[in-house]
Amino acid sequence: DAKTTQPTSMDCAEGRAANLPCNHSTISGNEYVYWYRQIHSQGPQYIIHGLKNNETNEMASLIITEDRKSSTLILPHATLRDTAVYYCIVRVLNMLTFGGGTRLMVKP
Amino acid sequence: GAVVSQHPSWVICKSGTSVKIECRSLDFQATTMFWYRQFPKQSLMLMATSNEGSKATYEQGVEKDKFLINHASLTLSTLTVTSAHPEDSSFYICSARVPPGVTGYYGYTFGSGTRLTVV
Repeated sequence: DAKTTQPTSMDCAEGRAANLPCNHSTISGNEYVYWYRQIHSQGPQYIIHGLKNNETNEMASLIITEDRKSSTLILPHATLRDTAVYYCIVRVLNMLTFGGGTRLMVKP
Repeated sequence: GAVVSQHPSWVICKSGTSVKIECRSLDFQATTMFWYRQFPKQSLMLMATSNEGSKATYEQGVEKDKFLINHASLTLSTLTVTSAHPEDSSFYICSARVPPGVTGYYGYTFGSGTRLTVV
């Protein structure tokens, strides 16, 4: 079973920051949080992952709360090409189990 | 970087025939690969985990005799849908666990998917 809860859908204005929340209240101490996105009819694309510290790369930032029960993916300047389904995943037993994800719609 | 090449990208087959989908890891060795299935407007569902040189581990409810997985080398895993029926029509996606030290390492990389239509 997926261990994460995400809003079903979100809208974001082009050029603005997109903040995608994720709850993972049952996460264990050594379980990583991964974020992937899937554009229609393509394979999932890696975005970022973390354990307890905040992480940043060229695509996004990942903010993990101190108790690790939730996290937020931040796309700093959303573009139309960021429209996709975003999956927050807690890695368990070295495999990724996908939940429902958040459908992000970036609008002009 | 760590890339997985999946072929074919789409296939149409007649009911009762078998279809093979290939997943190759490029520039790295994948001891573990995963196969997912995705129905329209739904999330990815893990079907099975394959380990090189051993039998695949199937998730509950997935028929191992219908979905044959072979992981005979460190760079190739195949999924064969046997005696396909229209209800097997779906988007099939493979994934490989990337070993540390590989350029672009971040744990797991996915193929581009195969859309199977059974008529």
